[in-house]
Amino acid sequence: EDQVTQSPEALRLQEGESSSLNCSYTVSGLRGLFWYRQDPGKGPEFLFTLYSAGEEKEKERLKATLTKKESFLHITAPKPEDSATYLCAVQAGSNTGKLIFGQGTTLQVKP
Amino acid sequence: NAGVTQTPKFQVLKTGQSMTLQCAQDMNHNSMYWYRQDPGMGLRLIYYSASEGTTDKGEVPNGYNVSRLNKREFSLRLESAAPSQTSVYFCAIRDREDQPQHFGDGTRLSIL
Repeated sequence: EDQVTQSPEALRLQEGESSSLNCSYTVSGLRGLFWYRQDPGKGPEFLFTLYSAGEEKEKERLKATLTKKESFLHITAPKPEDSATYLCAVQAGSNTGKLIFGQGTTLQVKP
Repeated sequence: NAGVTQTPKFQVLKTGQSMTLQCAQDMNHNSMYWYRQDPGMGLRLIYYSASEGTTDKGEVPNGYNVSRLNKREFSLRLESAAPSQTSVYFCAIRDREDQPQHFGDGTRLSIL
């Protein structure tokens, strides 16, 4: 059964304290792994797509990496405005676009 | 949000009432999706429409029906609402293969 697990569930950082969020997956035939950011009361906002092991994407203080079993979202020198819930999702199998989401990591960055 | 408009934003229903959630897009994307988000459960796919004129079940379709009215609009209907359907419902759209989905800001639905 296709499955996505994110850890930790919650993470508290001081401003400037770098860390990483983990997304582990077991799927048959990965077509893509997606990272989203979700602010309270809003819909998920797309951040990155990763397609194959070894691929990396960067945007401001965020960097996403992918291996055959997991993805990491590295946050370098975070700021309070980076506080949000980060969601990982995978698309597997047929190309209907069906996504399987992890439960998310809620990040709080304190000034 | 990303050209996806969901209405209403909030709704309270009584058990047994029916309701239709609306989703409209202005991006001319082919595929549309309905998800529900519950605490500790993540986002789960209810139904999707890969293209105009087609709909298919997702992970949790029981108690719901959908209509892809045209390329712009995809509605989700609860025929007889149950408290277990209290959730936040999100509509998403996708353009081409392996492109990311883009989400609306959700409908917050409470069923008493």
